[in-house]
Amino acid sequence: DVKVTQSSRYLVKRTGEKVFLECVQDMDHENMFWYRQDPGLGLRLIYFSYDVKMKEKGDIPEGYSVSREKKERFSLILESASTNQTSMYLCASLEGAVNYGYTFGSGTRLTVV
Amino acid sequence: GQNIDQPTEMTATEGAIVQINCTYQTSGFNGLFWYQQHAGEAPTFLSYNVLDGLEEKGRFSSFLSRSKGYSYLLLKELQMKDSASYLCAALPSGGYNKLIFGAGTRLAVHP
Repeated sequence: DVKVTQSSRYLVKRTGEKVFLECVQDMDHENMFWYRQDPGLGLRLIYFSYDVKMKEKGDIPEGYSVSREKKERFSLILESASTNQTSMYLCASLEGAVNYGYTFGSGTRLTVV
Repeated sequence: GQNIDQPTEMTATEGAIVQINCTYQTSGFNGLFWYQQHAGEAPTFLSYNVLDGLEEKGRFSSFLSRSKGYSYLLLKELQMKDSASYLCAALPSGGYNKLIFGAGTRLAVHP
């Protein structure tokens, strides 16, 4: 089974801090995604990557950046955390055949105070 | 624009059947996914439909009508452990396999 691992389940950070959320997958998948999940809004795509060093903005990239230096690792960076970035963050990866669907990590619940 | 609609909440009784509907509008279409998400956990893949019709997998079935932009997830012989959120997601055409998710339907199964 594919495993997608997010480094932290819960994080509390202060406004203005730089925050790194790490995601690692163990199956050599090319496509990786970062979503945030908020009540009533569903999952919204922040950034995605289709190969090493390749990244594309999703629907809500403002205030975020990403890094993909190695195929297995996709990092989400909050440049200067703000309270409206308090959310559940989900990383996902996808193998080449889309019909198997995304595999999600267990999520990081980030609170910015 | 792109939009996915599904009911916010549903309740059902253990042993019963429940149908969760989803309508979608996307720029092109390459398939419809259903995911299950228990509280505090990651979504897990349930089904993928790309052709019209019904796909059955044990107690769960998923239906797609491409011409109507409509799908449903059918859960039979409901069990308490089926209490979860069910996410509908559409795959627009255009590359990169970016899913568009609905807000999810929270299903509560009662004894």
